[in-house]
Amino acid sequence: DVKVTQSSRYLVKRTGEKVFLECVQDMDHENMFWYRQDPGLGLRLIYFSYDVKMKEKGDIPEGYSVSREKKERFSLILESASTNQTSMYLCASSSTPAADTQYFGPGTRLTVL
Amino acid sequence: QKEVEQNSGPLSVPEGAIASLNCTYSDRGSQSFFWYRQYSGKSPELIMFIYSNGDKEDGRFTAQLNKASQYVSLLIRDSQPSDSATYLCAVDTGFQKLVFGTGTRLLVSP
Repeated sequence: DVKVTQSSRYLVKRTGEKVFLECVQDMDHENMFWYRQDPGLGLRLIYFSYDVKMKEKGDIPEGYSVSREKKERFSLILESASTNQTSMYLCASSSTPAADTQYFGPGTRLTVL
Repeated sequence: QKEVEQNSGPLSVPEGAIASLNCTYSDRGSQSFFWYRQYSGKSPELIMFIYSNGDKEDGRFTAQLNKASQYVSLLIRDSQPSDSATYLCAVDTGFQKLVFGTGTRLLVSP
């Protein structure tokens, strides 16, 4: 059973803080993804990674960076948090080549004050 | 901009009825299509995927794909109150880059 975990369910930060969101998967998946979900806008891809130390920009990478030092861990970094980054952040992982599904973590609700 | 469109709903159906959820997509080159279910406060979970034109059935769920019309649908037979959720349509635009619709909220009344 695939398990994707995220470091926090709820997080409150202040404007300008550096924020780290951690994601860990236990199924040896090659691919990992970070999305944010906002009402009326749906899920939008921020960054993804096909392998360790590899990263690709998604549709809305501005204001974010990522790190993947180990296969099982994919971190999303908000260099200087802003109020418009208040959102639900969802991590997902999948295997290659069987791209039948991306398994999602439980999400982190981030509030930036 | 590659887009996936869904009616936000809510779609209200009585228990036992067939719920029909629809999705259109703009990228004609898309090959893989997914339906996720998302309960309030929870993360999305995959319920169906389809690659080829036609129908794919899994229990009470049927996914339908028409690539010529760029149209994907999900039918839920014998709808149950536990099916009440938001259903997200997603399209793989290449290399597992999924573009999601904003979702259709389904309400199944007892």
